[in-house]
This record gives sequence, C-alpha cells and structure tokens, in this order.
Amino acid sequence: GESVGLHLPTLSVQEGDNSIINCAYSNSASDYFIWYKQESGKGPQFIIDIRSNMDKRQGQRVTVLLNKTVKHLSLQIAATQPGDSAVYFCAENTGTASKLTFGTGTRLQVTL
Amino acid sequence: ETGVTQTPRHLVMGMTNKKSLKCEQHLGHNAMYWYKQSAKKPLELMFVYNFKEQTENNSVPSRFSPECPNSSHLFLHLHTLQPEDSALYLCASSQGTGQIGSEKLFFGSGTQLSVL
Repeated sequence: GESVGLHLPTLSVQEGDNSIINCAYSNSASDYFIWYKQESGKGPQFIIDIRSNMDKRQGQRVTVLLNKTVKHLSLQIAATQPGDSAVYFCAENTGTASKLTFGTGTRLQVTL
Repeated sequence: ETGVTQTPRHLVMGMTNKKSLKCEQHLGHNAMYWYKQSAKKPLELMFVYNFKEQTENNSVPSRFSPECPNSSHLFLHLHTLQPEDSALYLCASSQGTGQIGSEKLFFGSGTQLSVL
C-alpha cells in the first residue's frame, strides 16, 4: 500500500523562529497534497494545499514546498507563535482514489 | 467553525450499549466521511458516502453501522463495541466532484469515544 510518513514525531521551536515540518510520500502518482493542523480537542483544520504541477505555494505565514524528485513535502511556518502549537498532518491524494491518505503527524511545540 | 458539526463531543459506553454519533454539514458538499483517530496512528478512513450512496467501506467491523439519509447528515451507529474501539471519531465532508482539489476535507471536532 501507499504510505505518507513524517520524519519527526515532535518538533520544538522557539517563539519567533521559523518552523519546518517535513513529510515523505511514496506514491509517485499523487497529484494533490494538503497540510492540516489539529489543535487539542479539535478536528484537523485545512492550512494549505498544493498540486503536483507546482513546486511552491505561499499562504499567510505558511509556505508549502513540493519536491517531486525525492517525493518530499514540507511546511514552513514563519515567525512561529504559541498559537501554532498543534499536530500537523500531511495528506496526499493519488488522483484516482479521490480520497486522502494521512501521515501520522508531527507535534509542534512552541517554547517562549 | 468549519461548517461540520458533530454530536456528542464525548461518549462513554459499555460494551453492550447501543449508541449513535451524528454529523451534519452546512457546506453544500456531496461527500461525507467517517474517520477513526487513535493515539499515534494515522487517521483511518472508515466509510465514504457520495450523494448518499456508500462508496467505500474500509473493512470496518459490522459493529459500526453508518447511515446517510441525505447529503447533509451522516450517522454512525455503534453496538457491542470493544475497548479497543475507544478513539476520536471524526466526520468530514468534501465537494466530492472528482476534480483535483475537490477531495479537500472539512472536519468536525469529533466525538471522543470511550468503551468500558
């Protein structure tokens, strides 16, 4: 089966620094990727998405980078704030299955 | 507020009980989903409904029974559950048009289920 994995289960970042959360995927047919943020007691919330015909996409304080050559996805958060503390999931869609496959998640801890 | 509402937020039940989880979406989406979220595991897809028709059953035990009376409502009926079924059950919806990007999921806050 296909897998979506994350390199680090926990990432600790100082407030104000930039955060980088990584994700590896194994399905070369994946054509759509999403990052979700899940705070304690809440469901996952959409952050940003990217299609496979793009290498980079920017949102408000967040940037997603896609490297199809090595099947790697990253989420960059600029000037990390305490409110960014959460679990971050990447998800991929192979295009044919029309459903998302999620990774296990990375917990981001923001220290003051 | 994501437009997807789940009730109850918390549920404790015995193994012989029967209970139901409810989900309602106000986004005009065509597809609705049940996911199970256990500690340290990826989100597990359980069921998918598209235009009220079940399009996916991910080898879920029969003690979980979904119902989708219309595109806006989704239920998960629970009976004779096991302690290992304790988890966060998440409902989600998507446009479900089949186009790239239409599978973007909007999640509810989940029901935290404890089976004693």
